[in-house]
Amino acid sequence: NAGVMQNPRHLVRRRGQEARLRCSPMKGHSHVYWYRQLPEEGLKFMVYLQKENIIDESGMPKERFSAEFPKEGPSILRIQQVVRGDSAAYFCASSNPGDYNEQFFGPGTRLTVL
Amino acid sequence: GENVEQHPSTLSVQEGDSAVIKCTYSDSASNYFPWYKQELGKRPQLIIDIRSNVGEKKDQRIAVTLNKTAKHFSLHITETQPEDSAVYFCAASKGTSYGKLTFGQGTILTVHP
Repeated sequence: NAGVMQNPRHLVRRRGQEARLRCSPMKGHSHVYWYRQLPEEGLKFMVYLQKENIIDESGMPKERFSAEFPKEGPSILRIQQVVRGDSAAYFCASSNPGDYNEQFFGPGTRLTVL
Repeated sequence: GENVEQHPSTLSVQEGDSAVIKCTYSDSASNYFPWYKQELGKRPQLIIDIRSNVGEKKDQRIAVTLNKTAKHFSLHITETQPEDSAVYFCAASKGTSYGKLTFGQGTILTVHP
């Protein structure tokens, strides 16, 4: 039973480029969350999605960041025109509505902006 | 919105001792409180959680207590081992089956052999 999968695991971008991070939830899970972890800091909520719907994007910057969870395929977090301050670990978590919000995390994508 | 405070930020113990990490939350509507362990460069792993309808939960050497009136909850690790060394995060959320997690700042636990 595969866990939450994320790719790529490491991503290097130059300032101004776009970053696309992908997340496949655990089998049977329909809720996906994205969190950002800056170096030596805690995890900060960014966005919560269900299939084809953004439920809560209160933690996501209004500009340059977007997220989707299409009917088919993984959830994608997209960062346009990256800046050095976007360098962080981005974790995806998934949950099953029947499991009282137990969220299981993927291995993360470590984004480095040069 | 919800705010979670976690203390201490670092904790150093000898192998076999107990370790206690405390968290407070601000939103009385929060009803789910998980704890995650994160080793260096790895994903956060859920180690134990508690729901607002119980006051204590135990799983082998790990236990969590919840005081809803005071809005605080604690993680207790007994008989610590070097492999318990990691960063521990508490979190809180509301909603019976979904909702964002608000995390504490983390505690770096070091267990000395």
